[in-house]
Amino acid sequence: TQLLEQSPQFLSIQEGENLTVYCNSSSVFSSLQWYRQEPGEGPVLLVTVVTGGEVKKLKRLTFQFGDARKDSSLHITAAQPGDTGLYLCAGAQGGSEKLVFGKGTKLTVNP
Amino acid sequence: DSGVTQTPKHLITATGQRVTLRCSPRSGDLSVYWYQQSLDQGLQFLIQYYNGEERAKGNILERFSAQQFPDLHSELNLSSLELGDSALYFCASSVTARMNTEAFFGQGTRLTVV
Repeated sequence: TQLLEQSPQFLSIQEGENLTVYCNSSSVFSSLQWYRQEPGEGPVLLVTVVTGGEVKKLKRLTFQFGDARKDSSLHITAAQPGDTGLYLCAGAQGGSEKLVFGKGTKLTVNP
Repeated sequence: DSGVTQTPKHLITATGQRVTLRCSPRSGDLSVYWYQQSLDQGLQFLIQYYNGEERAKGNILERFSAQQFPDLHSELNLSSLELGDSALYFCASSVTARMNTEAFFGQGTRLTVV
């Protein structure tokens, strides 16, 4: 059983569209991170959220941490081909040193 | 460029063999993490070293071992290789030992076991 479930698994959209991807769990996390991974590269950290209900914006990307710290979402406005990649969420649980990753959402933005 | 260097980039080897993957962390980072990424399992944490000492262990098989040297570079040794060990192996580094701090990933080593 995957501790962090990401949905959708695959998403293909046209340039200019908006989208939201989700990261859900039945467990509470002390913090949650979002990464983007491009083919042939390692994941690159986009944001870390630590407070329940927290919203962070990074240009056209909006990240939200659920009030109960069990889930998170990533919303992209006016998607561009450069947003194409694998989006991974990763959670840290209090008292544990381990970072748990979801399997990711593979996003393709077509020109 | 994340500043984390992994070698080799690609490795093809036969079942039963042993390989060593190498990682040089970013300058100043004391913590090194190893991850395995496969299509069905996603990114799985294997092991973490901090300043030469093992800090945390994840889903690392007994056939796998790692170490961090005094110059802070790390090696991941994979032995008695099986077809199922074929995957991307990533190294990441961070300044502190806490796993929820920003970690920088290398480009990975793609291991193919035939």
